[in-house]
Amino acid sequence: DAMVIQNPRYQVTQFGKPVTLSCSQTLNHNVMYWYQQKSSQAPKLLFHYYDKDFNNEADTPDNFQSRRPNTSFCFLDIRSPGLGDAAMYLCATSSASEETQYFGPGTRLLVL
Amino acid sequence: QKEVEQDPGPLSVPEGAIVSLNCTYSNSAFQYFMWYRQYSRKGPELLMYTYSSGNKEDGRFTAQVDKSSKYISLFIRDSQPSDSATYLCPDLYNFNKFYFGSGTKLNVKP
Repeated sequence: DAMVIQNPRYQVTQFGKPVTLSCSQTLNHNVMYWYQQKSSQAPKLLFHYYDKDFNNEADTPDNFQSRRPNTSFCFLDIRSPGLGDAAMYLCATSSASEETQYFGPGTRLLVL
Repeated sequence: QKEVEQDPGPLSVPEGAIVSLNCTYSNSAFQYFMWYRQYSRKGPELLMYTYSSGNKEDGRFTAQVDKSSKYISLFIRDSQPSDSATYLCPDLYNFNKFYFGSGTKLNVKP
């Protein structure tokens, strides 16, 4: 089945220690997104790639970066995680020709 | 950016009840309307998708759009405990970009 895969499902890191979350997709969609979702809050868009074009949201902290080496993979890098970065990180994809987005299961990040 | 408003709930109903969930939006340019369902500790999944005004039915779920009132609704008939989740209606004004409202948390009690 075509899907959006996120690894790992749970990630524990230390305060200030860089961490990378990964997302892969078998849908061959050209748009990939990263969302941050804190407890009891709605998902908040951090940035997205339209093919290789990176689009950052205005209020996304510089601490968050992303890479998309090819169509299938996208990475979220948190350069110096703070306690406030503990959240669920969701990856989603969409085709440029349709409005719907398909979400992965998320990676839950814990910062100690 | 806040184009969509939702009652955050939680909404608690007994099993078998009819549930009505609502979103109001401010931008009349909206053309596409979606409902996503998110179970606890899972990613959102597309539940219903509709274009423009009118009703769309899928099993126990009905999505209703009233563009004149800028109001969209999701009705769940014969609600089940498995319907307990948070229901999200994203802002689709910017094509290919979602901005989510607060979501409405639904709890269906057996």
